[in-house]
Amino acid sequence: EAAVTQSPRNKVAVTGGKVTLSCNQTNNHNNMYWYRQDTGHGLRLIHYSYGAGSTEKGDIPDGYKASRPSQENFSLILELATPSQTSVYFCASGEPGQDYAEQFFGPGTRLTVL
Amino acid sequence: GDSVTQTEGQVALSEEDFLTIHCNYSASGYPTLFWYVQYPGEGPQLLFRASRDKEKGSSRGFEATYDKGTTSFHLRKASVQESDSAVYYCALSDRGNNNAPRFGAGTKLSVKP
Repeated sequence: EAAVTQSPRNKVAVTGGKVTLSCNQTNNHNNMYWYRQDTGHGLRLIHYSYGAGSTEKGDIPDGYKASRPSQENFSLILELATPSQTSVYFCASGEPGQDYAEQFFGPGTRLTVL
Repeated sequence: GDSVTQTEGQVALSEEDFLTIHCNYSASGYPTLFWYVQYPGEGPQLLFRASRDKEKGSSRGFEATYDKGTTSFHLRKASVQESDSAVYYCALSDRGNNNAPRFGAGTKLSVKP
C-alpha cells in the first residue's frame, strides 16, 4: 500500500492550458512538497506546505500555484502551461519537528506541454 | 540560500570497482545531510542520513561521513554491483530554513557486469 500517490502518472497538455497535478499521502505527515526533476538540475523545490490551508513558495515557484485542502491532499496547478514546464514532477511528504525530516516520495508525474 | 553540489553528473564503473560520489554543501545553519537513491520509474528513497559532525551514515554497503570542516558528505562503496545502478542524490535539511530539503543535481551510476 503506497503511502504517497500521484495522479495522473502521465499527462500531455497544450500550451496555455490549465494543468492540475494531484498528490495524496496516507502517512499523516504535516509537511508536503512539490519538486520538478530535470537533467542537470536534479530535484528543485516548487512549493511546500506545513498543513491544511498552508502553502509556501519554494525556490522556483513562478508559473505554479499550490493548494492544500486537507492533510492528505496537495495539488500543483499550472494555470497557463508552457513548454518549459515539461518535466517530471514529484510529490513528497515528511514530518517536521524531527531532526532529520526524511521525505517519502511518490512515483512521479511525467508532464509534456506541447 | 542553502545548496548542495554534486560534481559528477555520471559515473560508469564495472562490478567490484570502488565508488566515490562527491557532495559538498552550503548552509547557514547546522543541517542534516542525506543520500537518496532513485531507481528507474520510481521516486527517490532514503539511503541514509547524518545529523552531526563526524557522524557516519551507512546502508547496503554505502557510507558517508559528515564533515563540517570541509562541508562535505561524500558517498563511497568498496565494491559496486550491477544492481547499484541508479541515480544518487545528496540533500540537506536545515531547521533554520523550515526543513524544506534541498537536493543536488544527482549522479547517474551505471555498473557493467
